[in-house]
Amino acid sequence: SQTIHQWPATLVQPVGSPLSLECTVEGTSNPNLYWYRQAAGRGLQLLFYSVGIGQISSEVPQNLSASRPQDRQFILSSKKLLLSDSGFYLCASSGVAGPYEQYFGPGTRLTVT
Amino acid sequence: AQSVSQHNHHVILSEAASLELGCNYSYGGTVNLFWYVQYPGQHLQLLLKYFSGDPLVKGIKGFEAEFIKSKFSFNLRKPSVQWSDTAEYFCAVTPYSSASKIIFGSGTRLSIRP
Repeated sequence: SQTIHQWPATLVQPVGSPLSLECTVEGTSNPNLYWYRQAAGRGLQLLFYSVGIGQISSEVPQNLSASRPQDRQFILSSKKLLLSDSGFYLCASSGVAGPYEQYFGPGTRLTVT
Repeated sequence: AQSVSQHNHHVILSEAASLELGCNYSYGGTVNLFWYVQYPGQHLQLLLKYFSGDPLVKGIKGFEAEFIKSKFSFNLRKPSVQWSDTAEYFCAVTPYSSASKIIFGSGTRLSIRP
C-alpha cells in the first residue's frame, strides 16, 4: 500500500511570508496526487491535483500554488501568506485508474499570524 | 454543481446502539463511492468503497454501506457500535472515469458514550 509523508507537521508563519509544504509518496509509481484543506465542519476542500510531473490542475482560485517536480513529490507553495490561509493541509495519493481510492498523509497544521 | 451531503453533523450514541449515517450525492453519471474515517489523532483512512457489483459493501471493523442508485444515497451502517468507533466519518464521490472530480461531504462526527 502507499505511504504518504508530509512535512512539516506544524508551522507558524507571519502574514506576508512565503510557504512551502512538501509531500512525498512511497509504495507506488506515477500516482495521482492531491492537496486538500480540511476545515472543521466543512469537510475536505480539493485545492490542486496532478496526474503527472509538471501537470497541475487548480480547483479553487486562491493565494496558493502547487508543483510536482518529481513523480512522487508534490509541493504546496505561496509567495505571500494571508491570514485566511491558516488551516490543516492534507496530501493524498491515488492510483491512475479507477476507482481512485485515496491514501492520506498525516497533514500539516498551518497557522498564519 | 456536484455535491455530497452528510446531513448529520454530530451523532451521539451509546455503546451497542445501531448506527446509520446518511450520505446523498448529486451527480448524474456512474460513480465510485467511498467512506473514510478519521480517528482522533490519526490519518484519514478508507473504511469501504463501492465501484461496481453488489450494492451492499462491507468494510473494516464491521461497517457496511448500501448504494441505492435511485436515491443517490450511500448510507453507512453498523449494527452495534463500540466506544472505539468514536471518529469523524466522511463520504466521498468520484465520477467513474475521472480522478479529478473528487467530492467529499462535510463529515459527521460520531461520539460513543461508554
